[in-house]
Amino acid sequence: AQSVTQLGSHVSVSEGALVLLRCNYSSSVPPYLFWYVQYPNQGLQLLLKYTTGATLVKGINGFEAEFKKSETSFHLTKPSAHMSDAAEYFCAVRRAQAGKSTFGDGTTLTVKP
Amino acid sequence: EAGVAQSPRYKIIEKRQSVAFWCNPISGHATLYWYQQILGQGPKLLIQFQNNGVVDDSQLPKDRFSAERLKGVDSTLKIQPAKLEDSAVYLCASSLGGSDTQYFGPGTRLTVL
Repeated sequence: AQSVTQLGSHVSVSEGALVLLRCNYSSSVPPYLFWYVQYPNQGLQLLLKYTTGATLVKGINGFEAEFKKSETSFHLTKPSAHMSDAAEYFCAVRRAQAGKSTFGDGTTLTVKP
Repeated sequence: EAGVAQSPRYKIIEKRQSVAFWCNPISGHATLYWYQQILGQGPKLLIQFQNNGVVDDSQLPKDRFSAERLKGVDSTLKIQPAKLEDSAVYLCASSLGGSDTQYFGPGTRLTVL
């Protein structure tokens, strides 16, 4: 079985501030981990993914995430928030290679001017 | 490259009516997914196709939901009869294979009154 917990359903930051969105997972096998972004009335877009290898993963739009096996975490960060980052973010876990993805319930990011 | 297309974008029906959604995946993508996203939650996989065969439909409520992908390209998802709790966004996604990046369509927002 696998599950994802996103801590904080709403996060608010000021423009230019650090963005930190938290994701913890559980998986009985080595996981593949994903972060997606969803803008209003749009589908999900992949930001970044961890499969194997380097634990610090860089994605699009300046986001990055670090896989920490000991903490079962995959937190998403961005050094400086931009107004265009306001959206909903979903963390997902999947068993390596194939199998269905399990998504967290999402975190809504608000960026204040 | 064209993305995943879905129609209609919005649908309002009364309970006990039937409804169908259509998805056209990215050309060449063998794997197609249907997700249900209830407001405030992450997407939940309903069914996964590999070409025209079903890989996983363990979370599809088979008494009222059905899906097909007859020629291994387009897919339809049907609900008959609809219940109030079926109100959600129905997302279609596709990937080259089961272990590859999923690309999501914009979704169909269903409201059941």
